[in-house]
Amino acid sequence: EPEVTQTPSHQVTQMGQEVILRCVPISNHLYFYWYRQILGQKVEFLVSFYNNEISEKSEIFDDQFSVERPDGSNFTLKIRSTKLEDSAMYFCASRSQTGPTDTQYFGPGTRLTVL
Amino acid sequence: EDQVTQSPEALRLQEGESSSLNCSYTVSGLRGLFWYRQDPGKGPEFLFTLYSAGEEKEKERLKATLTKKESFLHITAPKPEDSATYLCAVPHTGGFKTIFGAGTRLFVKA
Repeated sequence: EPEVTQTPSHQVTQMGQEVILRCVPISNHLYFYWYRQILGQKVEFLVSFYNNEISEKSEIFDDQFSVERPDGSNFTLKIRSTKLEDSAMYFCASRSQTGPTDTQYFGPGTRLTVL
Repeated sequence: EDQVTQSPEALRLQEGESSSLNCSYTVSGLRGLFWYRQDPGKGPEFLFTLYSAGEEKEKERLKATLTKKESFLHITAPKPEDSATYLCAVPHTGGFKTIFGAGTRLFVKA
């Protein structure tokens, strides 16, 4: 069964460093998302991406964040200068093009720890 | 403002003790409602999508129902392996964003 994969599973970084989180969405999906979940809190939307551009972003997704689809399979989230409060689980999700409410399938997540 | 509220926050059941989880939502026009299961340290695992009031979907011991204001996830004769956090989510009105509730943590004791 196709699934979304994410690497690394755990990333530890120093405050102020840049990190890149990687995702491989399901192969025939065209809509891609990043979410984050701070420990013990809700899953929060960060950004959606379609047709090589951001379709929507949240207030959390400021200038320190960027997304890219560098090739036909990968989807990345970059945080330019990490802060302590960026420590969270980051989930990638993808869905097919059949409709706006089609199911989003989530990856296993990357745990980001900022020291 | 679109909102999703889940109750209870936590639910402790004995194996075989059926119960229901609630998800209340406020959106301008419902375009679907999702239920996910999340195990500790893992990503949300898709369970159901419901699109209109009156719709019901089942999977093993789980059954999801939808009204105009809320959704229920019914768990029949739960087993310890059903222990997880169950998340409810709706698409934001007019956009791509999905809004999640805080979840219900279910504990099933053998």
